Amino acid sequence: DQQVKQNSPSLSVQEGRISILNCDYTNSMFDYFLWYKKYPAEGPTFLISISSIKDKNEDGRFTVFLNKSAKHLSLHIVPSQPGDSAVYFCAARGGGGADGLTFGKGTHLIIQP
Amino acid sequence: KAGVTQTPRYLIKTRGQQVTLSCSPISGHRSVSWYQQTPGQGLQFLFEYFSETQRNKGNFPGRFSGRQFSNSRSEMNVSTLELGDSALYLCASRATPSTDTQYFGPGTRLTVL
Repeated sequence: DQQVKQNSPSLSVQEGRISILNCDYTNSMFDYFLWYKKYPAEGPTFLISISSIKDKNEDGRFTVFLNKSAKHLSLHIVPSQPGDSAVYFCAARGGGGADGLTFGKGTHLIIQP
Repeated sequence: KAGVTQTPRYLIKTRGQQVTLSCSPISGHRSVSWYQQTPGQGLQFLFEYFSETQRNKGNFPGRFSGRQFSNSRSEMNVSTLELGDSALYLCASRATPSTDTQYFGPGTRLTVL
């Protein structure tokens, strides 16, 4: 049973426009959410995170929104740049930090010139 | 500050053999987690070590084991290798288990023939 779902395996966005990556979760015990970016042959790189007590966190071009009632979060990248082309993983952590991260399957973002 | 390092980066083994992977966390980080990434299952949590003790374990068979040394370096061992163990094995570190964000190493690509 997949507790963290990224329903779009890939997303193509024009350079300069907004990229929106979505993530849904089923476990209401998750209390912290993270987004990672991954290039081929490299480990995931931490991008941005949000605690379940907040609904928005912003860091430069990256903003994460959390809708707890819908169990949905999204990552907005504005403006999108060619270097943003990568696989993006949504991850969630259980209550108290005791559990490992639960990851979605990833969304491959392609920024077109 | 140096990031998480993993050795070796690539490894080829045959069925039935055993393998040991190594991870050095970011300096000052005392918690090390291991993850397996495969095309079918995505990124899955294996286990976490802190202060030389395993704190959490994911849903993997007993063939997968690990340990942590007093300098926080960690090793992961897989015995009686199966074809399905072919994967990218990622190590992640954080200061303590209560720290929210984990930082990943580049991974070890294991191929089982």
